[in-house]
Amino acid sequence: DIQMTQSPSSLSASVGDRVTITCRASQSISTYLNWYQQKPGKAPKLLIYAASSLQSGVPSRFSGSGSGTDFTLTISGLQPEDFATYYCQQSYSTFWTFGQGTKVEI
Amino acid sequence: QVQVVQSGAEVKKPGASVRVSCKASGYTFTTYAMHWVRQAPGQRLEWMGWINAANGNTKYSQKFQGRVTITRDTSASTAHMELSSLRSEDTAIYYCATEEDTAMFYWGQGTLVTVSS
Repeated sequence: DIQMTQSPSSLSASVGDRVTITCRASQSISTYLNWYQQKPGKAPKLLIYAASSLQSGVPSRFSGSGSGTDFTLTISGLQPEDFATYYCQQSYSTFWTFGQGTKVEI
Repeated sequence: QVQVVQSGAEVKKPGASVRVSCKASGYTFTTYAMHWVRQAPGQRLEWMGWINAANGNTKYSQKFQGRVTITRDTSASTAHMELSSLRSEDTAIYYCATEEDTAMFYWGQGTLVTVSS
């Protein structure tokens, strides 16, 4: 299976901060990389697909970039509702896998 | 609009099987594949497998191969996930999600499965 490694595992930030989360794949996955947001007790929500495409309805402060093995999720101007856990996920191989998650805390 | 509604919470004994259902609406069911993902308490999301809703073809994670079966009933726009030989480590929230553009776009609300003697 393709291993997905996120960093950091957690971070502390303040409202208005610019936050960057990175995701590294164990082999090249082109741009088959998606980002999800999960809040406690809720199902994950798709934010970014195909590395950089913003899902409909997701605020433009969220952006994604990268290709190959290295990817980033950036939140430009953190809002109170953005405190959550973020997961990357690859869909390059037949067997999909997630990163371990990054918890964004105050 | 697309909605995905899962069946209710289950409590099972070790060694038993559980079946979780996922009813889709708001689109033609056979258009999109359906994936299953689980999350044990405090753990990461874990992909289990998927079904091609049009032809019923399936793929399963190696971790669950032999214990998981995903099926679909096109007449009811419903997908099912059955996990057998349950053990305490299978206690988790199980999610289904529709696939578009190689991503999981619409998620069910989750189904808590508790395995306890």
